[in-house]
Amino acid sequence: AQTVTQSQPEMSVQEAETVTLSCTYDTSESDYYLFWYKQPPSRQMILVIRQEAYKQQNATENRFSVNFQKAAKSFSLKISDSQLGDAAMYFCARAPDMRFGAGTRLTVKP
Amino acid sequence: DSGVTQTPKHLITATGQRVTLRCSPRSGDLSVYWYQQSLDQGLQFLIQYYNGEERAKGNILERFSAQQFPDLHSELNLSSLELGDSALYFCASSPYLLGGGYTFGSGTRLTVV
Repeated sequence: AQTVTQSQPEMSVQEAETVTLSCTYDTSESDYYLFWYKQPPSRQMILVIRQEAYKQQNATENRFSVNFQKAAKSFSLKISDSQLGDAAMYFCARAPDMRFGAGTRLTVKP
Repeated sequence: DSGVTQTPKHLITATGQRVTLRCSPRSGDLSVYWYQQSLDQGLQFLIQYYNGEERAKGNILERFSAQQFPDLHSELNLSSLELGDSALYFCASSPYLLGGGYTFGSGTRLTVV
């Protein structure tokens, strides 16, 4: 089965510091999308950032940016200036089949 | 409010019973996806509908079925419930058949006792 792998079950970052969450995937599609979702304790799924595979430029949304390495099938999320509200589970996902990784639990220390 | 409405928010039922979960997608969205999230687990893709037609199937049990109606709302039917079916069931919608952005509802928490 084509998978999405998040190799870091848990990560921790100091408030105001930068953290990078890893994601690798496999796919036979030539055109696909990649996503990072945040799930805070409320369990709501919140879209953080989206990357279209045909775009070479890395997506950025305020303090969130990705490092998309298409050849390596890698899609990491960088959170800059971490805030307490960033504490959550983060899931990497791939479309079109919308398969999710197992998630990384991010803790932010004050 | 994401625009995707799921009802009920909570459901407690006994083993062997049947329940129906409802999802109203965001206005204009044609795709509806169903996911199951067990406690402290990732999301398991169950099924996708696009404009009333089933378009993709994931790890959906035979005891589970779904449909999308002409008004684009969708229902997920779970029957012969087992304790292991206790989970958070999410619906997500998208304007597109493939790709694009997916907006999630707040989920239905199902507890089977």
